[in-house]
Order: sequence, then C-alpha cells, then structure tokens
Amino acid sequence: DAKTTQPTSMDCAEGRAANLPCNHSTISGNEYVYWYRQIHSQGPQYIIHGLKNNETNEMASLIITEDRKSSTLILPHATLRDTAVYYCIVRVAASKAAGNKLTFGGGTRVLVKP
Amino acid sequence: GAVVSQHPSRVICKSGTSVKIECRSLDFQATTMFWYRQFPKQSLMLMATSNEGSKATYEQGVEKDKFLINHASLTLSTLTVTSAHPEDSSFYICSGQGATDTQYFGPGTRLTVL
Repeated sequence: DAKTTQPTSMDCAEGRAANLPCNHSTISGNEYVYWYRQIHSQGPQYIIHGLKNNETNEMASLIITEDRKSSTLILPHATLRDTAVYYCIVRVAASKAAGNKLTFGGGTRVLVKP
Repeated sequence: GAVVSQHPSRVICKSGTSVKIECRSLDFQATTMFWYRQFPKQSLMLMATSNEGSKATYEQGVEKDKFLINHASLTLSTLTVTSAHPEDSSFYICSGQGATDTQYFGPGTRLTVL
C-alpha cells in the first residue's frame, strides 16, 4: 500500500472548520483513501473514505485532488471532542488476494482549542 | 456505523499467566478480524489477520505460539496472550471487516502484566 505523509500536529479553533491535509503521491489507481481518528485511550473510529470523487458524510468531508496525490479531510465545525489523532491511510479494496491491511503511520495530532 | 466490542476493557495479571481477550462484532458479520497492539506514544501495529474458520496470518516478528488467535464464528474472535510477561503490557485493539470492506475497531483492552 502507498505511504502517506501528514503534519505531525495542528491546532484548530472551536467552531471553525478544520482542514487536515494528507499527501499520498505514490497512490495507485485501485487504492482508496481512508481516514480514521483515535481519541486518547480508545480504539480508532472510522470517519470516511473515497477513491477519486469527493465524499461527505455526517462527520466530515473528504476532498481528493484530481491527480489523487493528496487529499484533505474537513471537519466543518470543530468541537473540543474532535481532539484526537487523525490517520490518513491508503489501501486497496479488500480482497483475500490483495490483503486487507491498514497500515497506520504517525497521523496528525489535532488539538481543538476553545 | 458498525459496532465492535471488546472484553475485558482492562486486565491486570501476574507474569506467567495467560489472558484471553474477546472481540465481538455486534451488528454485522465480520468475515475478517484483525488484532493490533499499541505501545504508549506509538501508532497501531498490526499483529495478525484472521478469516473466519481459518488459521490466522501473523505479521513478521509476532510469535504465533504466544499470541493465539481463534476466529470460530463470524461475530467472535479471541486473542490469548500465553505466559504473559511485563513486555507484553500494551493496548490491544481488534477490528472487524464485513461486506462493506471497511474495518471497524473495538474500544481496546489495556493489558498490564506485573
């Protein structure tokens, strides 16, 4: 699976949009971009994923550049409870042949401040 | 979203004893389950992948005779840490993947070996 690069940390203001960047310049055509977050001492929480089109759900929006070499996770109105480590992971669609692994990097430590 | 539970949430045991951790998918059938561990201030590291009814596939460096994994049903996987030692103290997290190809994580189990 392709490697991703994320900022180590970032601060966000409560109530404002939080834009979390991720670079994945070696992504392959069949690899999806997944975002998870991990709040302290909890298991990771799935946020969103996409292949090439922008995606939106009740938690966030995912914007993927046309060349698919980078993406941005947008939390539209950050709250204090959004403080967490956010992981951007690229992975092929699951199949027993391709493997289903998620490889976690360091992620971005997001601190939402009042 | 899909829900995965783990039991116990935390366990303290003496060195040399064995500990069993259960992982259950509550509202979906997990054809594949994964076990990760996370040491303090580090990211998640995949230990093994198991498909229901098959033997688990272990990552390099993970001792299969020490970390016994059973995935006997589509909703239950267990991890048994045999002859636990203080260096096995960690945060163990499972995830399940079903028809949607997305992994959903449990809340984690904090193991402390004295």
